Amino acid sequence: SAVISQKPSRDICQRGTSLTIQCQVDSQVTMMFWYRQQPGQSLTLIATANQGSEATYESGFVIDKFPISRPNLTFSTLTVSNMSPEDSSIYLCSVELADTQYFGPGTRLTVL
Amino acid sequence: GIQVEQSPPDLILQEGANSTLRCNFSDSVNNLQWFHQNPWGQLINLFYIPSGTKQNGRLSATTVATERYSLLYISSSQTTDSGVYFCAAYYTASKLTFGTGTRLQVTL
Repeated sequence: SAVISQKPSRDICQRGTSLTIQCQVDSQVTMMFWYRQQPGQSLTLIATANQGSEATYESGFVIDKFPISRPNLTFSTLTVSNMSPEDSSIYLCSVELADTQYFGPGTRLTVL
Repeated sequence: GIQVEQSPPDLILQEGANSTLRCNFSDSVNNLQWFHQNPWGQLINLFYIPSGTKQNGRLSATTVATERYSLLYISSSQTTDSGVYFCAAYYTASKLTFGTGTRLQVTL
């Protein structure tokens, strides 16, 4: 299994600002994933982060809005840029080990 | 992409009751997982079950890949089972599509 931590666990931000979320995993992994869960909804994949290459974004998500870094095999960051109230969500990172996905505890973001 | 539907959307049980949650998917999959999201938002992997049946304590899951559905059984439910249950399937390498979820509330 994998142990994943995220920082911050929650934040309240003003519209127009940006927030960077950190994700740390306790083992080296090739791919890390970022998901968004809007209030009362299911999870949607934002992007896949590979070490040493550009992140791959899913339809409806763009790099300017959600820039991602992946400096090494155990760490990634997701930035939510120029925030609006519609960005209020839980953001989760995950990794895959042996065909099973493990998730971090999530970052609960509220944008006022 | 693949569509994943779950039923029922909401379920209220009295402690000790049994329940069955269903997950239908629109295309063949080579990976299906069940997750439990607790009231604090933490997502816990329950089963990796692309086919067949697995059991873990009071929980068991069955996937019939040829008929494109999976079932999660909860027996002798407890209040700690409350939360949202998601199934999720890979639509391409390692990318999960999550189902709509079943919100379970177990009461005393």
